[in-house]
Amino acid sequence: AQTVTQSQPEMSVQEAETVTLSCTYDTSESDYYLFWYKQPPSRQMILVIRQEAYKQQNATENRFSVNFQKAAKSFSLKISDSQLGDAAMYFCAYRSGGRGTYKYIFGTGTRLKVLA
Amino acid sequence: NAGVMQNPRHLVRRRGQEARLRCSPVKGHSHVYWYRQLPEEGLKFMVYLQKENIIDESGMPKERFSAEFPKEGPSILRIQQVVRGDSAAYFCASSPPTQGSQGSGYTFGSGTRLTVV
Repeated sequence: AQTVTQSQPEMSVQEAETVTLSCTYDTSESDYYLFWYKQPPSRQMILVIRQEAYKQQNATENRFSVNFQKAAKSFSLKISDSQLGDAAMYFCAYRSGGRGTYKYIFGTGTRLKVLA
Repeated sequence: NAGVMQNPRHLVRRRGQEARLRCSPVKGHSHVYWYRQLPEEGLKFMVYLQKENIIDESGMPKERFSAEFPKEGPSILRIQQVVRGDSAAYFCASSPPTQGSQGSGYTFGSGTRLTVV
């Protein structure tokens, strides 16, 4: 069975600085997707970024980028130029890539605090 | 184009009562998923439904929990005879039929926080 581990319950970053959130996963599959979701106090689950396992190039979305290390099964999220609005819970998630698959497996989350 | 709408946003029930949670998917989405988030934990899969069909309920407790997605109207997650351990945030997500092969993220609702007192 696949597992997702986020070992940092809480992280803090100074406004305008860079922070990296860690995520490791375990799977025997070769085809899968990885995601980072942001959950602000409103509880809305917002997709931040996704990565296809077959792509070697790390995904990037504006100030958000990932460091995907497939062999190490590591998928960290880097937030550059942190803003107060980035404060939230961040969840790493895994999904199998086979046709008809749909279950997401979430980590336990990292609470990010942004200090003014 | 409205996103996934869940209501109520907060629900308080006494032990032994029934809780009914509603989810209206994104217009055009025919697949609905329910997840539960216990305090300080990530979301865990409960059930996957298509219109009038339960596809996978492997994550749902065998007793007291049921889900439906009728031909007309929202999807309903029903919890009978609630207990304190049912207190959690319940999230609904939806996707179009082609999502499974494309790996795009679901669209999530904002969840219903159920508190059992």
